[in-house]
Amino acid sequence: SQELEQSPQSLIVQEGKNLTINCTSSKTLYGLYWYKQKYGEGLIFLMMLQKGGEEKSHEKITAKLDEKKQQSSLHITASQPSHAGIYLCGADGGGNTPLVFGKGTRLSVIA
Amino acid sequence: DAGITQSPRHKVTETGTPVTLRCHQTENHRYMYWYRQDPGHGLRLIHYSYGVKDTDKGEVSDGYSVSRSKTEDFLLTLESATSSQTSVYFCAISETFGAGSTYFGPGTRLTVT
Repeated sequence: SQELEQSPQSLIVQEGKNLTINCTSSKTLYGLYWYKQKYGEGLIFLMMLQKGGEEKSHEKITAKLDEKKQQSSLHITASQPSHAGIYLCGADGGGNTPLVFGKGTRLSVIA
Repeated sequence: DAGITQSPRHKVTETGTPVTLRCHQTENHRYMYWYRQDPGHGLRLIHYSYGVKDTDKGEVSDGYSVSRSKTEDFLLTLESATSSQTSVYFCAISETFGAGSTYFGPGTRLTVT
């Protein structure tokens, strides 16, 4: 079965700093999804990546899928307190299976 | 935001009692899922449905059953709740199975004492 490993597990950054979260798959990714979860709330869909080398941006968040389609990174530029939360990657491994998820990265942004 | 509601949002129950959680969608999506989220484990799939009366097990289905009698409703039942089932439960929906965007409900926090 497909497994996703996220790193780091937790991250504390100072407001205004850049940061990167990684998601590595044990198998080729047919689709990679990034979600954000605010503490105590549901998951909010951020972005979907499907093609090798694909990059998408939304406001100050950029996600990339590597050419081999086994690793994705989420980069936040000039972090703000509103970016705090848990970021989860989810993967479509193909073969008609539900999404599987990484364990999440907990991000704290301090003033 | 996708139209997904979960009820109740919070519940405290005693060991051995039955509990039913409800997920309701207004998006007419074919696929519905129940996940549980626990520290150190992330999101784990309990059961999913690919149509009315069509359901299948996920990776952590023991102790849980589901039913889907209408497209919009997906029920998760704990026949006899145990403390190990204390968790946050999320319902999710998608138009296509395992691909495309999956949208999540707000979650139900269940505590079994």
